[in-house]
Amino acid sequence: GAVVSQHPSRVICKSGTSVKIECRSLDFQATTMFWYRQFPKQSLMLMATSNEGSKATYEQGVEKDKFLINHASLTLSTLTVTSAHPEDSSFYICGIVASGRNEQYFGPGTRLTVT
Amino acid sequence: GNSVTQMEGPVTLSEEAFLTINCTYTATGYPSLFWYVQYPGEGLQLLLKATKADDKGSNKGFEATYRKETTSFHLEKGSVQVSDSAVYFCALSSNSGNTPLVFGKGTRLSVIA
Repeated sequence: GAVVSQHPSRVICKSGTSVKIECRSLDFQATTMFWYRQFPKQSLMLMATSNEGSKATYEQGVEKDKFLINHASLTLSTLTVTSAHPEDSSFYICGIVASGRNEQYFGPGTRLTVT
Repeated sequence: GNSVTQMEGPVTLSEEAFLTINCTYTATGYPSLFWYVQYPGEGLQLLLKATKADDKGSNKGFEATYRKETTSFHLEKGSVQVSDSAVYFCALSSNSGNTPLVFGKGTRLSVIA
């Protein structure tokens, strides 16, 4: 069964609005979650690392004020795309590292389209 | 920094054909290597992994051997099926999995009956 869920799976929003994407760990407590972005025909690129109870660490070139990450509990991390623009249209995937395990599990992804 | 290079796709094969998807990496130290598969409309699923040199990962008829001397982790399957049609990603981690993965660009495989 699914280990990680993401919601919504697809979202279309208008330019200038904000969108929240949830990533839930269903079977494990996740002290660390990763957020990746995948542009069409490109690879997954790490955006940020989210640690429960502390601030997220963003990769170079990723605006922390635009992509707000909240790792509120050991089973939930949220990514909020603020003031979305068409260039933010992408496939967003979260990955979790289960506590005590050395393996990463991925959510099914969220396809964001900004019009 | 660490990087992964995998063969460009798309790859189109007939059912029962032999599959090879090349993957080479650049990394410091001794990374762990992974192959993930993404079926249409779904997220990534771990297909197989290898954590040290000469390890062979295998699953569902797919195999890949960690070759440190050639810094490669090529994916192979002896006889592909239509259900293998998906995008395949090679990835590495600087340890056995609890750090971010570095992905290749992905290779789309289409298997036709």
